[in-house]
Amino acid sequence: DQQVKQNSPSLSVQEGRISILNCDYTNSMFDYFLWYKKYPAEGPTFLISISSIKDKNEDGRFTVFLNKSAKHLSLHIVPSQPGDSAVYFCAASGGPSGTYKYIFGTGTRLKVLA
Amino acid sequence: SQTIHQWPATLVQPVGSPLSLECTVEGTSNPNLYWYRQAAGRGLQLLFYSVGIGQISSEVPQNLSASRPQDRQFILSSKKLLLSDSGFYLCAWSVKGRYTGELFFGEGSRLTVL
Repeated sequence: DQQVKQNSPSLSVQEGRISILNCDYTNSMFDYFLWYKKYPAEGPTFLISISSIKDKNEDGRFTVFLNKSAKHLSLHIVPSQPGDSAVYFCAASGGPSGTYKYIFGTGTRLKVLA
Repeated sequence: SQTIHQWPATLVQPVGSPLSLECTVEGTSNPNLYWYRQAAGRGLQLLFYSVGIGQISSEVPQNLSASRPQDRQFILSSKKLLLSDSGFYLCAWSVKGRYTGELFFGEGSRLTVL
């Protein structure tokens, strides 16, 4: 049962344009969401997060949008740069007290073309 | 500052051999600890998490086990490896008592079972 889904395995974007990565979740108990960036043979690095009490969070070129009713979040990267080429994972956590699990999606490989 | 280390970085093991991957966290106390696996073409799968010494929660039934003998030490083991155990293993930690915070990852361990 895949509780966090990233339905696009790959995405190609021209340098300078917007990259939009999407993520859907099924568990309505999730109330904290994160995006990670991962290069091959390295651990993922944290990009940005959002709590369910918000619908938008911005940090520099990265913005995360949350639509709770649709159980959908997206990561916008503007402008996209070649160094942004990596695999992006969304993750979700939350639930009853004492649940500390972070559930990850399957990832989207972003390629930014120069 | 907090750091997380895991070793070995790469490991090639025959089917049926034992496994031991180690992870230690420095600069924090009483963290939540996690083991994830990234198999080829797949996302980050949560294997085990621990909220305290000797407290291990297993997410996926398999021939792997985890132990937390000390506060900041997390060990992933197997008595007999299977081909399907090949993958990239990641240790991670988060602040105790919170699920609305970052998950910090180690550098990863590449396991190839032949």
